[in-house]
Amino acid sequence: DTGVSQDPRHKITKRGQNVTFRCDPISEHNRLYWYRQTLGQGPEFLTYFQNEAQLEKSRLLSDRFSAERPKGSFSTLEIQRTEQGDSAMYLCASTKVGGKTEAFFGQGTRLTVV
Amino acid sequence: AQSVTQLDSHVSVSEGTPVLLRCNYSSSYSPSLFWYVQHPNKGLQLLLKYTSAATLVKGINGFEAEFKKSETSFHLTKPSAHMSDAAEYFCASANSGGYQKVTFGTGTKLQVIP
Repeated sequence: DTGVSQDPRHKITKRGQNVTFRCDPISEHNRLYWYRQTLGQGPEFLTYFQNEAQLEKSRLLSDRFSAERPKGSFSTLEIQRTEQGDSAMYLCASTKVGGKTEAFFGQGTRLTVV
Repeated sequence: AQSVTQLDSHVSVSEGTPVLLRCNYSSSYSPSLFWYVQHPNKGLQLLLKYTSAATLVKGINGFEAEFKKSETSFHLTKPSAHMSDAAEYFCASANSGGYQKVTFGTGTKLQVIP
């Protein structure tokens, strides 16, 4: 158990629907990251927060994607008007600021768009 | 910029024989390097990490990796494969300057033959 929890674990949605995922990081970690992993690939960085501030967004994060971390604790990732290409595992990770600590990953949310 | 290259997409070994999974890194900074394992439909589990201390790093489940700066390599080894080692393995790097965004390789799928 890494301490990072994600909900739901699985989501099946119809194309065009909106979906929202939640990530609860380890409580003392103030950095939170979202990654996307498609079949047969390594995880790819999407975005990262330090406390409530979203400090970087990947070009992979189209305008249909939005992430928030309103109180600097949990985070949500919303995908609007889902497309079949959005089908992937969405992983959340958290770390402490500074030092050389590793990122702890949640078990991910597997999204299937049909 | 940082990147990692996993030289083999698939590795097959017999149970009880040594495992070698290869990884080369490229980084403008002194990197932190990691190996993660991912079992089917599971999140990422950290096996071991290198953060500029000892160049030979021991991890969980009998795995170890050696950081070789001259070869820009961080290969993962295990003396004797077990059936439960069958999984996908990801090499990853992070900027050790404090920003812990992790860049992953494309993964190596390890098959263990009984």
